[in-house]
Amino acid sequence: DTGVSQDPRHKITKRGQNVTFRCDPISEHNRLYWYRQTLGQGPEFLTYFQNEAQLEKSRLLSDRFSAERPKGSFSTLEIQRTEQGDSAMYLCASSLGTARGYTFGSGTRLTVV
Amino acid sequence: KNEVEQSPQNLTAQEGEFITINCSYSVGISALHWLQQHPGGGIVSLFMLSSGKKKHGRLIATINIQEKHSSLHITASHPRDSAVYICAQTRPGGGSEKLVFGKGTKLTVNP
Repeated sequence: DTGVSQDPRHKITKRGQNVTFRCDPISEHNRLYWYRQTLGQGPEFLTYFQNEAQLEKSRLLSDRFSAERPKGSFSTLEIQRTEQGDSAMYLCASSLGTARGYTFGSGTRLTVV
Repeated sequence: KNEVEQSPQNLTAQEGEFITINCSYSVGISALHWLQQHPGGGIVSLFMLSSGKKKHGRLIATINIQEKHSSLHITASHPRDSAVYICAQTRPGGGSEKLVFGKGTKLTVNP
């Protein structure tokens, strides 16, 4: 297994455009997390999936954000009508449960201009 | 106030020095995690502990549950240890077992 993959690694978009990021977790991991990290800060939780069910969402996840994990495998995070404040690193992590730890992807760095 | 506090925010050391990074948390944990983040963003899990002490190579992590405090030590530091070290917790009964992160400590080890 090659670990957690995120695509793209970098995305530059104009304000108002929609963007979509993809995360491919480790295949046997049933738990998937999205986090957002801004410069100089630790990552902040956005949302959590167990298999295909989205079980928890942060209040940080405004109406412009939506996440899916349609078959309990890969996940997508979409941001509609991007704003400059959305510029951040978006990190995906997967797990079999905390006793087994977490594996992180390399992240997608979004720049909104 | 962040629920997970780290100190120092920045740390510069000379190669070979003993490094200590501290983490304090205000809410009870199910586990305390130490992670390493290199420029470019990728995060690697170093330790997960709920009591006592763990060691891996030159890295040692300790936790004091009563004092809600953990430390990460690096012995014989090397320039390749330069990275951001982040403390994070998971909480009991949390369902998602999401991580709550500190802001990180940026370590620079000079040759």
